[in-house]
Amino acid sequence: DSGVTQTPKHLITATGQRVTLRCSPRSGDLSVYWYQQSLDQGLQFLIQYYNGEERAKGNILERFSAQQFPDLHSELNLSSLELGDSALYFCASSGAGNQPQHFGDGTRLSIL
Amino acid sequence: GENVEQHPSTLSVQEGDSAVIKCTYSDSASNYFPWYKQELGKGPQLIIDIRSNVGEKKDQRIAVTLNKTAKHFSLHITETQPEDSAVYFCAASKDNDMRFGAGTRLTVKP
Repeated sequence: DSGVTQTPKHLITATGQRVTLRCSPRSGDLSVYWYQQSLDQGLQFLIQYYNGEERAKGNILERFSAQQFPDLHSELNLSSLELGDSALYFCASSGAGNQPQHFGDGTRLSIL
Repeated sequence: GENVEQHPSTLSVQEGDSAVIKCTYSDSASNYFPWYKQELGKGPQLIIDIRSNVGEKKDQRIAVTLNKTAKHFSLHITETQPEDSAVYFCAASKDNDMRFGAGTRLTVKP
């Protein structure tokens, strides 16, 4: 158990809809990262937050946004969903300094 | 920015044989190199890591080597078992900026 909790585990919705994915980091971790993993693909970095502030941005679409709340949990919002957004979305957290990232078990998003 | 290349993309070995996965990185300032194992339906899990002040680290059947001059590092798994079958990711990091390789799908045939 990595200590990172993601909800929901599965999400099925239709094109054009909006969804919110939730992540609770490990206790004490200030950094939260979001990744997208499509079928048989690698980990595409989307965005990082550190203690409530955006720290780094990767290949995140304008239709996607994220935030980190004062209690350090984070949400990834995906809007105007397209079929190609179907993927696994992972959250990871890490402590201060150059530390390993610890991953949750992901949210599987299916767009019908 | 940092670029991490990982080879091979797929690797099939017989149970009991060794498996080696290699990664190269581009930014000489990277100083932390973790390896992750991702099983089906799960998130990547850290299995071993190495920092730039160390050349080799071993944990039971798993070892990682780092060559800073050549900017490459490798994962070695000895006496492979079917439960080692998974996707393995290498990563290179500096200042909490971590970049991942594309992954290697390892299959261990019984």
